[in-house]
Amino acid sequence: SQTIHQWPATLVQPVGSPLSLECTVEGTSNPNLYWYRQAAGRGLQLLFYSVGIGQISSEVPQNLSASRPQDRQFILSSKKLLLSDSGFYLCAWSVQAGANVLTFGAGSRLTVL
Amino acid sequence: GEDVEQSLFLSVREGDSSVINCTYTDSSSTYLYWYKQEPGAGLQLLTYIFSNMDMKQDQRLTVLLNKKDKHLSLRIADTQTGDSAIYFCAERKTGANNLFFGTGTRLTVIP
Repeated sequence: SQTIHQWPATLVQPVGSPLSLECTVEGTSNPNLYWYRQAAGRGLQLLFYSVGIGQISSEVPQNLSASRPQDRQFILSSKKLLLSDSGFYLCAWSVQAGANVLTFGAGSRLTVL
Repeated sequence: GEDVEQSLFLSVREGDSSVINCTYTDSSSTYLYWYKQEPGAGLQLLTYIFSNMDMKQDQRLTVLLNKKDKHLSLRIADTQTGDSAIYFCAERKTGANNLFFGTGTRLTVIP
């Protein structure tokens, strides 16, 4: 069966510090991978998605970046965090066919102080 | 998330039915989804419906789709306290790899 792991679960970082959130998927190959952000009291905002290694699409301009160094690994990064980067970050995967059902990780809560 | 609209809050009494509504914008959307998010957790898929269907039932859950009005609803029968969560509606637009989510409806079940 497929599983998705996301870490760290909780992170408190000072403004201006770097960020690295990691997501890995097991039990499938060539998945679509996604990073969403959920800000307090708001819905889900798509940040990045990837259909293959090294292929990243960005939905909104921001100081975040994403990389996919391996087929089932998706990393969200920042060189310098802003206060507005605080939120709940969710990684998800889907198969590249059919209903494109997204399966989400447990999320990473980032607080920037 | 502005493309998909949902009410922010809904309160129901335990044992009653809950109906969560959603409107979406793309009449050519191929699939529509309902996800549930419990506090501090990721999103869990509840059900999805293909756009050529107008109803789907799965145990206590009933999804109704009105393509003409671009309206989707989720009915939860015999709502329990464990159903308290945020419910997200999402659409998959034609040709898109990703899903577009609504703001979520926070369902509170009163014992």
